[in-house]
Amino acid sequence: QKEVEQDPGPLSVPEGAIVSLNCTYSNSAFQYFMWYRQYSRKGPELLMYTYSSGNKEDGRFTAQVDKSSKYISLFIRDSQPSDSATYLCAMSAQPGNQFYFGTGTSLTVIP
Amino acid sequence: GAVVSQHPSRVICKSGTSVKIECRSLDFQATTMFWYRQFPKQSLMLMATSNEGSKATYEQGVEKDKFLINHASLTLSTLTVTSAHPEDSSFYICSARDVTGQGLYEQYFGPGTRLTVT
Repeated sequence: QKEVEQDPGPLSVPEGAIVSLNCTYSNSAFQYFMWYRQYSRKGPELLMYTYSSGNKEDGRFTAQVDKSSKYISLFIRDSQPSDSATYLCAMSAQPGNQFYFGTGTSLTVIP
Repeated sequence: GAVVSQHPSRVICKSGTSVKIECRSLDFQATTMFWYRQFPKQSLMLMATSNEGSKATYEQGVEKDKFLINHASLTLSTLTVTSAHPEDSSFYICSARDVTGQGLYEQYFGPGTRLTVT
């Protein structure tokens, strides 16, 4: 079983839609949860960083962590064509230590 | 945020030759850097953890004699793919660890290097 599972998509939505991206994991030691955005042929850039369970909001992005279900989500409100990218979840047991990445979900926002 | 650069951004080499990829932290010192490999439509797979002034720690299944890592300074780590073969063609990404204002660590990723071995 993979440490982190993520539906690769692809996911295609109209502009303005709410997007929900999800990951599940198996290691209960994970406490730090990250969402990265990766444009084609570029390195990942950090979008959101959360610790333990709960919600975190940053502009149009909301990250949720449910440790009891080992499930994390990223919501994008009012999606824009510029949000079209691959979104990777990542998690670790200790900050700055080995990250475990999901496979990434490819998102296309259609104007 | 902190900036990490990689050089070259893309390289094509012939089978059997060696290729060196540089990873630099531009505005912070990184005692720890990570090297990842990403195949098309797949996730990032950690290859090794590079610590300044000491030997790198390789993940299971990664040949340390083939993928040579040198972290000679607090701002530079290099990955050398020796005797490259077509199956080594991939997107290689480094990241550097920095301490945030809250005392936590974050990883900042470089833009990646696309290696094609012909």
